[in-house]
Parts: sequence; structure tokens; C-alpha cells
Amino acid sequence: AQSVTQPDIHITVSEGASLELRCNYSYGATPYLFWYVQSPGQGLQLLLKYFSGDTLVQGIKGFEAEFKRSQSSFNLRKPSVHWSDAAEYFCAVVGYSSASKIIFGSGTRLSIRP
Amino acid sequence: DVKVTQSSRYLVKRTGEKVFLECVQDMDHENMFWYRQDPGLGLRLIYFSYDVKMKEKGDIPEGYSVSREKKERFSLILESASTNQTSMYLCASSTTGGAWGNTEAFFGQGTRLTVV
Repeated sequence: AQSVTQPDIHITVSEGASLELRCNYSYGATPYLFWYVQSPGQGLQLLLKYFSGDTLVQGIKGFEAEFKRSQSSFNLRKPSVHWSDAAEYFCAVVGYSSASKIIFGSGTRLSIRP
Repeated sequence: DVKVTQSSRYLVKRTGEKVFLECVQDMDHENMFWYRQDPGLGLRLIYFSYDVKMKEKGDIPEGYSVSREKKERFSLILESASTNQTSMYLCASSTTGGAWGNTEAFFGQGTRLTVV
């Protein structure tokens, strides 16, 4: 069965510092992977997605993520965070099927220290 | 832009009531989903539908049912609301991108349901 694990419930980083949010997935074949962000009181917005090809994908707002098949990971990174990045971040996986369900992790809440 | 619209932002219902949450998408997407979001638990899939009148259970279907009579509309039904169904409910849609499989999900703004 598909599953997604985000081991960090809450992370606090200083403004301008680098960021890495962890995501591990479980799926029997090559998955499709996503990162979403949910700002306070807002809906979910797609940051980036991985389907195939280059394992380092670029997204919006300066985010990137790297797919590592050997580690079943899809970690999200940003070289320098801004106060506006404070939000909750969700990793998601979907299988290659016309009727596959999209499974989300439990989320990581990011706080920014001034 | 894809638009997913949920009929209510906030709802307050009484225990035992039958509750309908409505969701409409305007991009002719095949797939539609209902999730509930609770602090510390992320988004948990209740039901999804990959075609009209087709549905599959997600991870937490107990106490819920769904209806998809038209492609653009996906309804979540709480047959007899209980206090443990107080939550944020999110609807989403996606398209099956041919050889690339499913594309990303687009979300509505959510319905915050309180059962008293």
C-alpha cells in the first residue's frame, strides 16, 4: 500500500537559513511525487512535482526537491528561507494508474525565526 | 486556472443530522477526492471517484458516503453526523494525464464542519 512519512512535525529555522524538509514514501513501483504548501487560512498550493527524468526538480518560490529512489525519499529544500515561507508543507504520492488515490503525509509545520 | 469550489466555508450541524458537502470543479477532471484535515494527522483520504458513478474507499470511509452523478460534482454525505466528524474537509480534483498517469490535485478552499 502507498504511504508517505514526514518525520518532522515542526521545524523552526532562522530567516535566511537553509531548509530541508524530509519525505519518505512507500510504493511498489515508480511513484509520482508532490510537495504542497498550505499557508495559514489558505488552501493547498502545489510547490513542485516529480514524474520522471531529472531527479532534481525545481518549483515555485525558490523551492527544489530531489528524488532518491535508493532511499525512497523526496526531500524539499530551499537555500534561504523568507518569513513568508512559514506554513505547513505536505508531501504526497500517487501511483501510475488511472484510478490511483493520492496519499498525503502528516505534514511539517515550518516556523521562521526573525 | 482550475477552480474547485466547495459550497460552504463554515458549517455547524447537530449530532445525528444528515450533512451534505458539495464540491464542483470546472476543468472536466476525471478524478475527484474528499479528504479530511486534522492537526497532526495531515490529509486523510475519505473517498475518491475516477469517473461518474464510480467511487472507491479511501483510508477512513467509515461514517461517510459519496455521490457522483455528474462529472463536475462530487458530494460527501455524513449519514448521521457525530462530534468526531468535526474537522476541515477538503475536496480536490485531478486529471489522468495519459501516459504520465495522474497529475497533481487541485484543491478547494475547504469546509470547516463543526458538529455539536
